[in-house]
Amino acid sequence: QSVLTQPPSASGTPGQTVTISCSGSTSNIGKNTVNWYRQVPGTAPKLLIFRNNQRPSGVPDRFSGSKSGTSGSLAISGLQSEDEAEYFCAAWDDSLSGGVFGGGTKLTVL
Amino acid sequence: QVQLQESGPGLVKPSQTLSLTCSVSGVYMNSGGYYWSWIRQYPGKGLEWLGYIYYSGSTYYNRSLKSRLSLSIDTSKNQFSLKLSSMTAADTAIYYCARDTGGFDWLDPWGQGTLVTVSS
Repeated sequence: QSVLTQPPSASGTPGQTVTISCSGSTSNIGKNTVNWYRQVPGTAPKLLIFRNNQRPSGVPDRFSGSKSGTSGSLAISGLQSEDEAEYFCAAWDDSLSGGVFGGGTKLTVL
Repeated sequence: QVQLQESGPGLVKPSQTLSLTCSVSGVYMNSGGYYWSWIRQYPGKGLEWLGYIYYSGSTYYNRSLKSRLSLSIDTSKNQFSLKLSSMTAADTAIYYCARDTGGFDWLDPWGQGTLVTVSS
């Protein structure tokens, strides 16, 4: 059972906007920044969003992140078939004194 | 372009110690400024942070693994390593190494991962 809670699945049609939530607590997201990783099956996770809402170079602006209180969110606008992947959130947890991940959300483009 | 590559045995017997190495290219580890992390992913897809090491050798471990885990770094070879003792079937996972911007600030890039199976 993961410390950060994500919905196991999400879906949308091409062009739509999909939002994936990441629920934590005051010891992790409430005090620290949220990062998001994208994983295509058979490959390693790749950084998608860092420090709540920052995009690494090369990540399209269709991807955006936000944080409010003890929850983080990842929004994907203009959904494309190649966005099908697993998405994980992560944050530092002060109580556990360690990094923690969400359980992952499998995004399907219908 | 920074790249990381894990290497080590794909099969480990129960009770043995796992040794993995992560080779880093595209950046000199002794230049400082980064931490170097290990993460594993279970067959059911869950991710677990194991720990990180700084170029100076200082380490920080996941509390649940602290008694079994040891990280080391060899900046002359631009490598860092993991040793996990008393392996059991529950340790079967894909092990990744990654560059860590600041103590789990964010992880980028990741190595391709290496599958480690614990079985007799």
